[in-house]
Amino acid sequence: KQEVTQIPAALSVPEGENLVLNCSFTDSAIYNLQWFRQDPGKGLTSLLLIQSSQREQTSGRLNASLDKSSGRSTLYIAASQPGDSATYLCAVTRAGTALIFGKGTTLSVSS
Amino acid sequence: DGGITQSPKYLFRKEGQNVTLSCEQNLNHDAMYWYRQDPGQGLRLIYYSQIVNDFQKGDIAEGYSVSREKKESFPLTVTSAQKNPTAFYLCASHPGGSTYEQYFGPGTRLTVT
Repeated sequence: KQEVTQIPAALSVPEGENLVLNCSFTDSAIYNLQWFRQDPGKGLTSLLLIQSSQREQTSGRLNASLDKSSGRSTLYIAASQPGDSATYLCAVTRAGTALIFGKGTTLSVSS
Repeated sequence: DGGITQSPKYLFRKEGQNVTLSCEQNLNHDAMYWYRQDPGQGLRLIYYSQIVNDFQKGDIAEGYSVSREKKESFPLTVTSAQKNPTAFYLCASHPGGSTYEQYFGPGTRLTVT
């Protein structure tokens, strides 16, 4: 059974710092991996989707990498800002298109 | 504006009552999903539908029911058989294939007392 783990569960950094969020999954037979952002009490906003054949995707200050063979993905956030404070969720797809989620990393960026 | 709408945002019910959560999408997506989120937990799949008039149970379907009579609508009923119904419920849709993102609605917070 696929399991997705995110480390750390929480992270506090000062504004301007570069940071890395980690996601690992137990079954490398995935179709794609998606990173989401969730603000308190809100739905999920898709940040990046990496197809299984890709190694990385970039959007603005965000860069996500995927290493299928080792079952790992990282989300790199450059020059963090207070507005980046949120919970970041990693999810993978296998059978069909249902997502399997990690529990998330809650990021707090202080000014 | 294209997107997914969920209503209401907050819902309160007494224990023993069934309640239906609405999910509508105008993205013309074939697949729709219901997830449940509890504090400190990731999202867990309740039900999903890949085509009209067809749906499958997810990991935690007990105490829930769904219908998919129209492509744009996928309502979720939380029945009195659900032991711990208080949670944040999220609806999502997907156009199909492995290269597309899954899109989420704003969620409904259900409180049962």
